[in-house]
Amino acid sequence: TQLLEQSPQFLSIQEGENLTVYCNSSSVFSSLQWYRQEPGEGPVLLVTVVTGGEVKKLKRLTFQFGDARKDSSLHITAAQPGDTGLYLCAGAPNDYKLSFGAGTTVTVRA
Amino acid sequence: EAEVAQSPRYKITEKSQAVAFWCDPISGHATLYWYRQILGQGPELLVQFQDESVVDDSQLPKDRFSAERLKGVDSTLKIQPAELGDSAMYLCASSLARQGYGQTQYFGPGTRLLVL
Repeated sequence: TQLLEQSPQFLSIQEGENLTVYCNSSSVFSSLQWYRQEPGEGPVLLVTVVTGGEVKKLKRLTFQFGDARKDSSLHITAAQPGDTGLYLCAGAPNDYKLSFGAGTTVTVRA
Repeated sequence: EAEVAQSPRYKITEKSQAVAFWCDPISGHATLYWYRQILGQGPELLVQFQDESVVDDSQLPKDRFSAERLKGVDSTLKIQPAELGDSAMYLCASSLARQGYGQTQYFGPGTRLLVL
């Protein structure tokens, strides 16, 4: 059983469309991290959310941390082919080891 | 910008052979991690070093896997003998702090292993 459940598993959209991916857990996290991983490469940290209810924006990417600090979402506005990749959320409940979700594979078609 | 270096990037081997992967973390980073990522899944921690000491190897299959970080800088992960199920991406990451699992981790490009 995954500590962090990500949905959907796969997402394929046309360039210019919006998308949202979700990361959910029954555990409380002091922080959650979002990574993007391109094929054949290691994950690259996009953002860390720390405060319940926090919203962070990174250009066309908007990250939200749930009020109860158990879930998070990533919203991409006007997706571009360069946004294609595996989006991973990760968190360390009670400062224990960092656990990753299985990821959402996003494909943006030109 | 400082990066985590890994080599080789790709490795093809036959089952029962020995393989070794190398990682050089970002300079000054005290903590080094080795992860295994199976296709379609998120990374899973194999071993964590704080300086030269192992602080977590609970998920490392110790009958065939070994890891060392002798001088607290670079690290080697070895598999002997390799099995078909070991085919995966092996990722190395490092973080600056010595305590706490929630630290920001910086990942290398990984070594993709294929066992035939």
